[in-house]
Amino acid sequence: KNEVEQSPQNLTAQEGEFITINCSYSVGISALHWLQQHPGGGIVSLFMLSSGKKKHGRLIATINIQEKHSSLHITASHPRDSAVYICAATQNNNDMRFGAGTRLTVKP
Amino acid sequence: GAVVSQHPSRVICKSGTSVKIECRSLDFQATTMFWYRQFPKKSLMLMATSNEGSKATYEQGVEKDKFLINHASLTLSTLTVTSAHPEDSSFYICSATPHETQYFGPGTRLLVL
Repeated sequence: KNEVEQSPQNLTAQEGEFITINCSYSVGISALHWLQQHPGGGIVSLFMLSSGKKKHGRLIATINIQEKHSSLHITASHPRDSAVYICAATQNNNDMRFGAGTRLTVKP
Repeated sequence: GAVVSQHPSRVICKSGTSVKIECRSLDFQATTMFWYRQFPKKSLMLMATSNEGSKATYEQGVEKDKFLINHASLTLSTLTVTSAHPEDSSFYICSATPHETQYFGPGTRLLVL
């Protein structure tokens, strides 16, 4: 079993839909990251969370430390949101463990 | 925000040659830098952790003599793929951290012919 599990693996949505990507982890962490990778391969760090909730534009990330679960939400999705979203957990020793990624396609 | 650069962004080389990839933290000092590799349609895989002034710590299964890592200063780490083979073709990504937050470079796509 992977230490960081993401779901779903693939997600197709219509423009405007509300999107949720889930991440569960089994390790003790100091931080949980949400990363975005576009088709060219470059990776952008969207959020780093250690508790609660963060919002940036149409993106919202939440984390529940007790349940070891985090979610990434996208409101009013747009085709330019199409990307792979990766959940990564920074362990207390600074090692990082990655989820397999969720491939999101938003259709116009 | 903190910026990490990688150079080159793309490189094509012949089998048997060596390729050096640079990772720089542009506006902060990075005590630790990480090197990742991404296989096609797979998530990132940590290759090694590099601390300034000391030897890198390699993950199990990563050949340290093949993937040479040098972290000579607080703003620069290099990954050298020695005697590259086609199976080394991949996307290599570095990240740098001043404390806990990791800032990712844009990645280097290596193609070995």
